[in-house]
Amino acid sequence: EAQVTQNPRYLITVTGKKLTVTCSQNMNHEYMSWYRQDPGLGLRQIYYSMNVEVTDKGDVPEGYKVSRKEKRNFPLILESPSPNQTSLYFCASSPRDRPLYEQYFGPGTRLTVT
Amino acid sequence: GENVEQHPSTLSVQEGDSAVIKCTYSDSASNYFPWYKQELGKRPQLIIDIRSNVGEKKDQRIAVTLNKTAKHFSLHITETQPEDSAVYFCAASIGYGNKLVFGAGTILRVKS
Repeated sequence: EAQVTQNPRYLITVTGKKLTVTCSQNMNHEYMSWYRQDPGLGLRQIYYSMNVEVTDKGDVPEGYKVSRKEKRNFPLILESPSPNQTSLYFCASSPRDRPLYEQYFGPGTRLTVT
Repeated sequence: GENVEQHPSTLSVQEGDSAVIKCTYSDSASNYFPWYKQELGKRPQLIIDIRSNVGEKKDQRIAVTLNKTAKHFSLHITETQPEDSAVYFCAASIGYGNKLVFGAGTILRVKS
């Protein structure tokens, strides 16, 4: 079954404690992206990757890091989480020749930073 | 930066009526405009999209129109049903077409 998976699905953590949210897809997609969703703000793009070892900033990259060492995985790293990073996070992937046209979203990760 | 404005923020309609959601964008280079539906607690799912070389696209009860001169596009849902109740997001591509900017969303409630 074609899918995008994220782990963990829910996470409560404290300010400053490094965390990683994993994202994996089994569709051999080149393009992967991270979004955060906040009430009244819609989805905002954090980082995206066109392929292995190729990443670029979205609209709200501050406080986040990503890596793309393998095609299927695109982890989101919060080195020192702060309460303003409390949000619902979605990973998405799509084929490179249609990088935005057919994005498959993961189930979401709800992060709370206290 | 580039932005997308979406209106209304909430919309209530009677079952069987039509619903229209409108978006405006700022980047004149935008050439791809998807619409996503997000049910409560679920992930966003693409329901329809349009590219800049097309003025209108229909898929059963859903249609999208694009006016590039005015930089706005709209989602039209006809014969609404209770299962259409959800949050709808519009988006527009920016930059070299590798990034999407989303509207803030519209909560659609279909009353039966």
